[in-house]
Amino acid sequence: DVVMTQSPLYLTVTLGQPASISCGSSESLVFSDGETYLNWFHQRPGQSPRRLIYKVSHRDSGVPDRFSGSGSGTDFTLKISRVEAEDVGVYYCMQHTHWPPGFGPGTKVNIK
Amino acid sequence: QVQLVESGGGIVQPGRSLRLSCAASGFSFRTYGMHWVRQAPGKGLEWVTLIWNDGTNKYYTDSVKGRFTISRDNSKNTLYLQMNSLRVEDTAVYYCARDSFDTWGQGTPVTVSS
Repeated sequence: DVVMTQSPLYLTVTLGQPASISCGSSESLVFSDGETYLNWFHQRPGQSPRRLIYKVSHRDSGVPDRFSGSGSGTDFTLKISRVEAEDVGVYYCMQHTHWPPGFGPGTKVNIK
Repeated sequence: QVQLVESGGGIVQPGRSLRLSCAASGFSFRTYGMHWVRQAPGKGLEWVTLIWNDGTNKYYTDSVKGRFTISRDNSKNTLYLQMNSLRVEDTAVYYCARDSFDTWGQGTPVTVSS
């Protein structure tokens, strides 16, 4: 199975400052169709996950443009340009290029 | 709007069974594959199983193979997860999600304990 890693696992950020989370995969996530099926999710305490980004860099409807995704192959990044209070929670990357789908361990984001 | 609502969770003893349901609305359920994903207390997300839109193919994570069965009734817009021979380690919140993981339900908690 493809192993997903994330760093850091814990992140404390100051309101209004940028934040960055890295995600790695043990194999390239480029599918035979040329697409890269790497998603980012945000889960607030007590809530279900919400997809923020799909196929590396495509923002979901309603996701603020302060969130951006980038990367290729085995290395990916989620960036928040200016952290807001509502951004607290856990962020997960997930691949569904290879079988079975797999999630990273999560990055817990707190506000300083 | 697009919505998924899980139900059927509860407290059950090891070795017993439970059936979860996921009611879909606001989209053409029969055209989407569907997943179950679980989250043990204080832990991360774990993919459990997938069923194709027409129910012809089903896939499972190794730890539930032979014990869990995913199914769907497209006439009722409902997804199911039959969980047999439950183990303590199956304790989790179970979420249903649409095939590209763009939509999730609120989750239903399952506790397996003696």
